[in-house]
Amino acid sequence: QKEVEQDPGPLSVPEGAIVSLNCTYSNSAFQYFMWYRQYSRKGPELLMYTYSSGNKEDGRFTAQVDKSSKYISLFIRDSQPSDSATYLCAMSEGYAGGTSYGKLTFGQGTILTVHP
Amino acid sequence: SAVISQKPSRDICQRGTSLTIQCQVDSQVTMMFWYRQQPGQSLTLIATANQGSEATYESGFVIDKFPISRPNLTFSTLTVSNMSPEDSSIYLCSVGLSSGQYFGPGTRLTVT
Repeated sequence: QKEVEQDPGPLSVPEGAIVSLNCTYSNSAFQYFMWYRQYSRKGPELLMYTYSSGNKEDGRFTAQVDKSSKYISLFIRDSQPSDSATYLCAMSEGYAGGTSYGKLTFGQGTILTVHP
Repeated sequence: SAVISQKPSRDICQRGTSLTIQCQVDSQVTMMFWYRQQPGQSLTLIATANQGSEATYESGFVIDKFPISRPNLTFSTLTVSNMSPEDSSIYLCSVGLSSGQYFGPGTRLTVT
């Protein structure tokens, strides 16, 4: 069993739709949770970073963490064609001192296409 | 965040040769990481590089194959040695900051 499982997709939605991307994990030591967006032939771009259960909002993006269920989600509101990319969840146990430095374990990625 | 650059951005190499990839960060960082992303796959950590100490390698990766240097707090190199077609991947460096981990643009390597 992989430590991090991500809904593989692909997802295809119309412009303006709400998108839900999800990951589950088995390692209860994970403390830091990140979502990355990766365009074709580019490096991953950090979208959201959270370390506590609950919701964190940034513009059209909301990251949700449920540590009791070992489940994280990323919601995209009012999706745009420019949101078309691969979305990766990533998690880390962190290091002593409470930093997020540390090995990231990634999900497999979900390819999202938003069509006009 | 951090501005991270990598050189080269891409290369095509022959089997048996070596390639050194450079990673430059615009600020001093304690830890840098090197990841591999094989075609159609997610990212896998190769090693963690601290300035002034030996890199720490993940299971399945060895120093003889992927030697790493970390001469200062803004720079690191990863060498892919004695390459085979199976080494064709994107190689990415990343840095850890209090606001998260940030990635460079990657080096796309093709081994023929």
